[in-house]
Amino acid sequence: GQQVMQIPQYQHVQEGEDFTTYCNSSTTLSNIQWYKQRPGGHPVFLIQLVKSGEVKKQKRLTFQFGEAKKNSSLHITATQTTDVGTYFCAGWGRAQKLVFGQGTRLTINP
Amino acid sequence: EAQVTQNPRYLITVTGKKLTVTCSQNMNHEYMSWYRQDPGLGLRQIYYSMNVEVTDKGDVPEGYKVSRKEKRNFPLILESPSPNQTSLYFCASSLSGEGPRDEQFFGPGTRLTVL
Repeated sequence: GQQVMQIPQYQHVQEGEDFTTYCNSSTTLSNIQWYKQRPGGHPVFLIQLVKSGEVKKQKRLTFQFGEAKKNSSLHITATQTTDVGTYFCAGWGRAQKLVFGQGTRLTINP
Repeated sequence: EAQVTQNPRYLITVTGKKLTVTCSQNMNHEYMSWYRQDPGLGLRQIYYSMNVEVTDKGDVPEGYKVSRKEKRNFPLILESPSPNQTSLYFCASSLSGEGPRDEQFFGPGTRLTVL
């Protein structure tokens, strides 16, 4: 079945450093979504990418969808303590269900 | 306020005692689903529903049941809970009835412990 792998599982950075998490699917995806879960909270939608090679930005966050629509990345420039949390990618493939990656937990040293 | 609600938020129970976790959304969404979250495994889909009376298995459906008799409600039923069902459960909904094309709105979560 469809699998979505996300790396790294954990990332600890100094405040102000950049952060990147990567997502790879075993199959071609129709779309990919990114979510953020704050500690003790629930996942909150950040963005959706649909087109091959698509790049979207939200302030310090840059999201990319690969040309083959099988991989994606989230890059945060100059992290802040408010960026702490777990970031999930989720891909929609052929079945009518969303498959989540394992998540990358980001911690930040102020 | 547009939201997904779940009840209870916390539950400690014993093996074999049937329980239901309720989920309700007030956004007139077509698609609803249940996930469980376990450390290192991310979010795994248990069941989903694309519309009233239409439900289907996700990736980890064993030991769970669902029903979708009304558009707004999607309860998760554990007929005979076991300790391996101890987990954090999330209900989610999205607008489209054609699958997860749209952003998923998550409920606050239910932390279940089965002793």
